[in-house]
Amino acid sequence: GQQVMQIPQYQHVQEGEDFTTYCNSSTTLSNIQWYKQRPGGHPVFLIQLVKSGEVKKQKRLTFQFGEAKKNSSLHITATQTTDVGTYFCAGSFGGKLIFGQGTELSVKP
Amino acid sequence: GAGVSQSPSNKVTEKGKDVELRCDPISGHTALYWYRQSLGQGLEFLIYFQGNSAPDKSGLPSDRFSAERTGGSVSTLTIQRTQQEDSAVYLCASSALAGGTYEQYFGPGTRLTVT
Repeated sequence: GQQVMQIPQYQHVQEGEDFTTYCNSSTTLSNIQWYKQRPGGHPVFLIQLVKSGEVKKQKRLTFQFGEAKKNSSLHITATQTTDVGTYFCAGSFGGKLIFGQGTELSVKP
Repeated sequence: GAGVSQSPSNKVTEKGKDVELRCDPISGHTALYWYRQSLGQGLEFLIYFQGNSAPDKSGLPSDRFSAERTGGSVSTLTIQRTQQEDSAVYLCASSALAGGTYEQYFGPGTRLTVT
């Protein structure tokens, strides 16, 4: 079946350190989306990547889509305590999104 | 405008009982999704409605689970003969087809506890 693998499952960083989460699919994706879920909250859309090799930035967040459209990454530069939460990638298979398991980020002040 | 709403926010039920979970999507959104999230886990796809097309039920874990979407709007997820392993947060999301962007807007979820 369609699967999206995401690593690492957990990441603990000191405030100011960088953070990266990686997402991989065994099949080519139409597009990939990233969501953030704060503790006790629901997932909130961050961004969508569509083109092969695409790179998008949102302030300290950098999103990349692989050339083969099978992998993606989210990099946060100089983490802040407000970055705490679980980051999910979601691969688009037709109209359906399959979510990765998420990476839970904790930031120590 | 109003976001996705879900009710109830919490539901405690006894093993073997049936439960119904409701989702009100954003007005005008044609796609509606149900997911299940167990404690500390990712989002497990359950079912997907798109307009008037037949729903994609490929994620439903057993025949105890079913869902309907009436009038292309409100959806109800029904779990029959609940089991303890059904305990989880059930999330609903809706999306509009706009310029190829399928951003999903999530509701707050229903936390189901089966005792």
